[in-house]
Amino acid sequence: ELKVEQNPLFLSMQEGKNYTIYCNYSTTSDRLYWYRQDPGKSLESLFVLLSNGAVKQEGRLMASLDTKARLSTLHITAAVHDLSATYFCALRTMTGNQFYFGTGTSLTVIP
Amino acid sequence: GAGVSQSPSNKVTEKGKDVELRCDPISGHTALYWYRQSLGQGLEFLIYFQGNSAPDKSGLPSDRFSAERTGGSVSTLTIQRTQQEDSAVYLCASSPPRDREQFFGPGTRLTVL
Repeated sequence: ELKVEQNPLFLSMQEGKNYTIYCNYSTTSDRLYWYRQDPGKSLESLFVLLSNGAVKQEGRLMASLDTKARLSTLHITAAVHDLSATYFCALRTMTGNQFYFGTGTSLTVIP
Repeated sequence: GAGVSQSPSNKVTEKGKDVELRCDPISGHTALYWYRQSLGQGLEFLIYFQGNSAPDKSGLPSDRFSAERTGGSVSTLTIQRTQQEDSAVYLCASSPPRDREQFFGPGTRLTVL
């Protein structure tokens, strides 16, 4: 069974601090996606990582992909309150049509 | 340009009734996905349409669920004889022809009483 596991599930951090969210998956894939979801809202695409070693940055968020370790990370630098949201990783298998989503990481940034 | 739209935004129905949820994808997007998100949970894949190919229905939880996509554009997800466990937010997403990210609609919140 294909699994996509995120940790932590819940993260409370102070403004200005750094932290990393981890996304582990159980099958071969080189297509990894990160999304943000605000309460009561839909999902917003953050990053698309399409190759081993891919690194993308947008503002205080940086995502990376290690296909050999089957691991993607979302690093938060100097967190601000506006980053409070739930973050999902998702992978698409090499041969399939489906996107498999992690359970999400609920991030709360405390002023 | 216009994003993915879904209607209705909220639907309250009684157990045993049928419901139809609509999704209008972004123009030119060939792929369309339906997902279900229960409270506090991640996304559960339901069905996938790609162009004129046969849909991938492997995520539909029971034969009460069905979906169609007319003319390669608008899609309707139908749930027959709704049950309380069907209560969730139903999200639709579309993708352009090449392997790129999905664009999600705002979702339909379904409540079955």
